[in-house]
Amino acid sequence: QVQLQESGPGLVKPSETLSLSCTVSGGSISTNYWSWIRQPPGKGLEWIGYIYYSGSTNYNPSLKSRVTISVDTSKNQFSLKLSSVTAADTAVYYCAREGYDSPSYYYYYYMDVWGKGTTVTVSS
Amino acid sequence: DIQMTQSPSSLSASVGDRVTITCRASQSISNYLNWYQQRPGKAPKLLIYAASSLQSGVPSTFSGSGSGTDFTLTISSLQPEDFATYYCQQSYNTPRTFGQGTKVEIK
Repeated sequence: QVQLQESGPGLVKPSETLSLSCTVSGGSISTNYWSWIRQPPGKGLEWIGYIYYSGSTNYNPSLKSRVTISVDTSKNQFSLKLSSVTAADTAVYYCAREGYDSPSYYYYYYMDVWGKGTTVTVSS
Repeated sequence: DIQMTQSPSSLSASVGDRVTITCRASQSISNYLNWYQQRPGKAPKLLIYAASSLQSGVPSTFSGSGSGTDFTLTISSLQPEDFATYYCQQSYNTPRTFGQGTKVEIK
């Protein structure tokens, strides 16, 4: 079955760029949308954005000016870059697959496969 | 953005209890509503999608209902492994948004 694994530095300095990758195994990245979600310590979940394998993206407006999500189909990976980070960006970052079901005319989307998450701390 | 509001924020219950969690959307989202369970230190796990469809492998003690703006997640008989935090999430549009979570604790 499809599995996701996040990777990247656990510590990033303020004002620098956070960079994470998510490797997809057990299936092809060339289907579905692929998302990044984060969770600050002790808080709830925040959707960062997603990418389609074709490269089409959709970002949360609250982060849009600082976020870039890209895909490398040859490596079965997608990546997150978040620029100009501050302590408020300290969180567990998850990658997830946006699966779907279409029992009729409509498509129902949901995040059905998640990585284990990686903790990123922003500190000097 | 569509705001999702869950109630209660936390609850205490015993094994075997019936538990109900409510989620309200700030505008109609039809039935584009998902529920997730998150155990401490773990990634969220999909329980219910399209408001009432049970994800494969999820016990039938979980059920979901609702449409429009008001939704419910019900656990018919709480098991020890069900003590966790539950989140609703709308997939009606982007940005995807989550409720603030409901923590189910042991009484």
